[in-house]
Amino acid sequence: NAGVTQTPKFRILKIGQSMTLQCTQDMNHNYMYWYRQDPGMGLKLIYYSVGAGITDKGEVPNGYNVSRSTTEDFPLRLELAAPSQTSVYFCASSYSTSGIYEQYFGPGTRLTVT
Amino acid sequence: GENVEQHPSTLSVQEGDSAVIKCTYSDSASNYFPWYKQELGKGPQLIIDIRSNVGEKKDQRIAVTLNKTAKHFSLHITETQPEDSAVYFCAAPYNNNDMRFGAGTRLTVKP
Repeated sequence: NAGVTQTPKFRILKIGQSMTLQCTQDMNHNYMYWYRQDPGMGLKLIYYSVGAGITDKGEVPNGYNVSRSTTEDFPLRLELAAPSQTSVYFCASSYSTSGIYEQYFGPGTRLTVT
Repeated sequence: GENVEQHPSTLSVQEGDSAVIKCTYSDSASNYFPWYKQELGKGPQLIIDIRSNVGEKKDQRIAVTLNKTAKHFSLHITETQPEDSAVYFCAAPYNNNDMRFGAGTRLTVKP
């Protein structure tokens, strides 16, 4: 199993540009998450999904959109990039029938907006 | 909502010594407390977790203790090795689907 994979690894965007961060997991997990990690800080939840077709906002959703059309994929969309979105983005997945369980993280995407 | 505070922010120990990292949380309904290790350039990886029906859990050189009354939990690493050097994060659930993470502790183990 590859686990959780993310593309791209690095990206530089200009202010106002758009992009999609890709996330795929091959563990048949029902839950998937997007976090951002600012320098020296913990992870903050942007959006999560409890299954295909179901998404919900986390702690810091403004400026982002997600979709979950399949169990495996959970892309994160930035529509109008702003310098405040410069961060490292991590996708994670977990399997749960009730409550929170171990989350498996991808390697991250380092995004710079200038 | 859940507020997770983690101390210290940096910790430097000599190889072979013990390291302790502490976290407090605010939501008394929280029932799951994981610890993650993040190496440079990688995503966090779970190293140990504890549920609220136990007070302590051990896995070789690492252990986690939980005090539900005081709403704090701690990570203990014994006989530290240079490969333990990393950033460690605690977390606590905000609701059934959302985790709140501490700000992290950068542990350095000096050979």
